[in-house]
Amino acid sequence: DTAVSQTPKYLVTQMGNDKSIKCEQNLGHDTMYWYKQDSKKFLKIMFSYNNKELIINETVPNRFSPKSPDKAHLNLHINSLELGDSAVYFCASSRTEGITEQYFGPGTRLTVT
Amino acid sequence: AQSVTQPDIHITVSEGASLELRCNYSYGATPYLFWYVQSPGQGLQLLLKYFSGDTLVQGIKGFEAEFKRSQSSFNLRKPSVHWSDAAEYFCAVGAKSGGYQKVTFGTGTKLQVIP
Repeated sequence: DTAVSQTPKYLVTQMGNDKSIKCEQNLGHDTMYWYKQDSKKFLKIMFSYNNKELIINETVPNRFSPKSPDKAHLNLHINSLELGDSAVYFCASSRTEGITEQYFGPGTRLTVT
Repeated sequence: AQSVTQPDIHITVSEGASLELRCNYSYGATPYLFWYVQSPGQGLQLLLKYFSGDTLVQGIKGFEAEFKRSQSSFNLRKPSVHWSDAAEYFCAVGAKSGGYQKVTFGTGTKLQVIP
């Protein structure tokens, strides 16, 4: 059973388009995250949700809008895609209590042309 | 705010040789420290973690790490590297932010294993 899954795995699109990435976890965790990994492998937190509520929102352009329909899902919608949005996007989840390990999805490689 | 430094961007070792990957952290209180591994095309997987107690922690795949408060370090070690260990390794520090956890990752060390 896949713990954290993301779709699609690859996404190639043109500048200006709008796209979404979906994430689902079956671990029963209350907290989910989106990370962006750039071409140099630097991993940076974008958003964190707890029980469908936004709790961490780093300095991310408001073209990025996360949505959590329930605590098992956290989707990422990106409007007006730019070349600089090309990266690998990882979804992760964790328990809420304390500071615990995070479980990562396989990533979505977004390429904007 | 917490931060993590991994001074080595790229390390090459021979198969069977020992390995040490360096990690230094900056955090005002007792840190929660992690090592994750990312194989090519994969997500991150936890190798080990330190929260408190014994400063030498054992992880999966034969890895261990030692927490040294005086040096603000949490170096990862393995006595004998296997070709399958070739991957990107991330050190991370966790802290509470507004009642919830926030994990900050280092920039990663890419491990190459040669026969």
